[in-house]
Amino acid sequence: AQRVTQPEKLLSVFKGAPVELKCNYSYSGSPELFWYVQYSRQRLQLLLRHISRESIKGFTADLNKGETSFHLKKPFAQEEDSAMYYCAPVGRGSYIPTFGRGTSLIVHP
Amino acid sequence: NAGVTQTPKFRVLKTGQSMTLLCAQDMNHEYMYWYRQDPGMGLRLIHYSVGEGTTAKGEVPDGYNVSRLKKQNFLLGLESAAPSQTSVYFCASSYSIPGQGYEQYFGPGTRLTVT
Repeated sequence: AQRVTQPEKLLSVFKGAPVELKCNYSYSGSPELFWYVQYSRQRLQLLLRHISRESIKGFTADLNKGETSFHLKKPFAQEEDSAMYYCAPVGRGSYIPTFGRGTSLIVHP
Repeated sequence: NAGVTQTPKFRVLKTGQSMTLLCAQDMNHEYMYWYRQDPGMGLRLIHYSVGEGTTAKGEVPDGYNVSRLKKQNFLLGLESAAPSQTSVYFCASSYSIPGQGYEQYFGPGTRLTVT
């Protein structure tokens, strides 16, 4: 069965500290991997996708196929990074993502 | 280009009442989805559609019906609302970018309270 796990419900850090939001997945084949972000009272929006190998707002995500993980990282957290983050794999050839339960990131001044 | 819009933004219903949530997108996307978002549960897929005139059940379809009579619209209906349906409802649409998968575009959400 397809499964995605974000083990931390809440991650609380101080401004300038490194942050890592964990995502582990269990999928047959090699899914496409996405991170979505939801700022307070706003709609969800795409943060980044693995296939683009991009860095958005200082965030990067590394795919570890051996551990089936796609952790989101940022070396120096900012207060404006406070938001809910969702990991969302999509099976190859599928158009339906499986969303994790989300991690709430709070960055204190 | 408004993207994905949802109406209404807020609604309070009494148990047993019915209502329809409307989702509209102006991006000519084939795929549309309805999710509910509950604390600690993330997003759960209610129903989805792969094109005009087609719909399918998602993870939590019970108590909901949908219709996609026009490509740009996806309606979510609650025939007899229950307190367990108190939630924030998000609509999304997507299309396939070759080699890049299906990015989802979300609406602003509808906050529904059933008393």
